[in-house]
Amino acid sequence: AQSVTQLGSHVSVSEGALVLLRCNYSSSVPPYLFWYVQYPNQGLQLLLKYTTGATLVKGINGFEAEFKKSETSFHLTKPSAHMSDAAEYFCAVSDTGYGNNRLAFGKGNQVVVIP
Amino acid sequence: NAGVTQTPKFQVLKTGQSMTLQCAQDMNHEYMSWYRQDPGMGLRLIHYSVGAGITDQGEVPNGYNVSRSTTEDFPLRLLSAAPSQTSVYFCASRPGAASGYNEQFFGPGTRLTVL
Repeated sequence: AQSVTQLGSHVSVSEGALVLLRCNYSSSVPPYLFWYVQYPNQGLQLLLKYTTGATLVKGINGFEAEFKKSETSFHLTKPSAHMSDAAEYFCAVSDTGYGNNRLAFGKGNQVVVIP
Repeated sequence: NAGVTQTPKFQVLKTGQSMTLQCAQDMNHEYMSWYRQDPGMGLRLIHYSVGAGITDQGEVPNGYNVSRSTTEDFPLRLLSAAPSQTSVYFCASRPGAASGYNEQFFGPGTRLTVL
């Protein structure tokens, strides 16, 4: 079964600094990979996804992630943090098989942006 | 489109009570899922459905029941509520595998407290 590891439940970053959230996955088949963001008291919103093709994926709000098969990683970055980036971020993996609906989530990173 | 809707937004139950969390989607998605979110645990899959009349268990199915009589609706039933079921519950849907599109769309969540 697929799984996701996100280290560091809380991440503090200064406004204007690089945001880096690490995600490593385990999957027995080529994966689909996702990053979701959750703002306080809201549902999950898709930031970006990797399915096939280009391994560097750009998402909303200036975020991007790179799929590295050799490292089984899908780290999320943003060059310059903004106060509005304060939220919880989840990495998720899904098998590519037909009929599959099992999305496995990491435990999340709570991002705090320091002025 | 309203997307994925969930009712109620908040609910307080006493131990042993039963209730149904409602989920509906108006996007004609084949796949629907229920997740629970607990602090430090990420989202865990409870049950899912790949089409009307078809359901299957996820990672944490005990104490929950589902049915899928229509494409639009996927209610989650708590048979006899326990304090361990205090959580935030999210419903999600996505198109079928034939669409080649694997993003899940999430509802706003139901915050459940069991006393």
